[in-house]
Amino acid sequence: SQTIHQWPATLVQPVGSPLSLECTVEGTSNPNLYWYRQAAGRGLQLLFYSVGIGQISSEVPQNLSASRPQDRQFILSSKKLLLSDSGFYLCAWSSHRGYNEQYFGPGTRLTVT
Amino acid sequence: QQPVQSPQAVILREGEDAVINCSSSKALYSVHWYRQKHGEAPVFLMILLKGGEQKGHDKISASFNEKKQQSSLYLTASQLSYSGTYFCGTGGYSGGSNYKLTFGKGTLLTVNP
Repeated sequence: SQTIHQWPATLVQPVGSPLSLECTVEGTSNPNLYWYRQAAGRGLQLLFYSVGIGQISSEVPQNLSASRPQDRQFILSSKKLLLSDSGFYLCAWSSHRGYNEQYFGPGTRLTVT
Repeated sequence: QQPVQSPQAVILREGEDAVINCSSSKALYSVHWYRQKHGEAPVFLMILLKGGEQKGHDKISASFNEKKQQSSLYLTASQLSYSGTYFCGTGGYSGGSNYKLTFGKGTLLTVNP
């Protein structure tokens, strides 16, 4: 069966510091991968998605970037965090063979102080 | 285009029924339903692909109207475990691909004893 991991689970970072969040998927190959952000009590905002290694599509222009160095690894980064970057970051995967049913990781709760 | 969910929130007593709606001004390729419990990641419930389709499991079911512009999620004889925020996600084509979901703002369902 497939599993998706995210780390860290929680993170408190000062404004202006860098960020690196990691997501890995097990039990499947060549998944579609997604990064979402959810502000407190709000909906799901798609940040980036990737259909293959090195292929990244950005949905919202901002100070975040994403990379996919390996087939089942997806990384979200920032060089300098803003207060508005606080939120719940969710990684998700879907299969190329399905209808894009997405399965979410446990999430990283980021607080920028 | 973000689908519109209604109601924004609903409070039930255990055993009562609820309907959550998800609508779009354009025909949709697919509708996905997710449930997110407080502090956790969204969990995939079901997907509807065809106009007029109805499907479900246990006491949670969903329909997709003939024009594929509206979907409804039905929760029957609600249980305490049904509490959470329900999101619909609508699939469509973007540049020839079908990789993205656009989520509604969510419906907060609270089931009280």
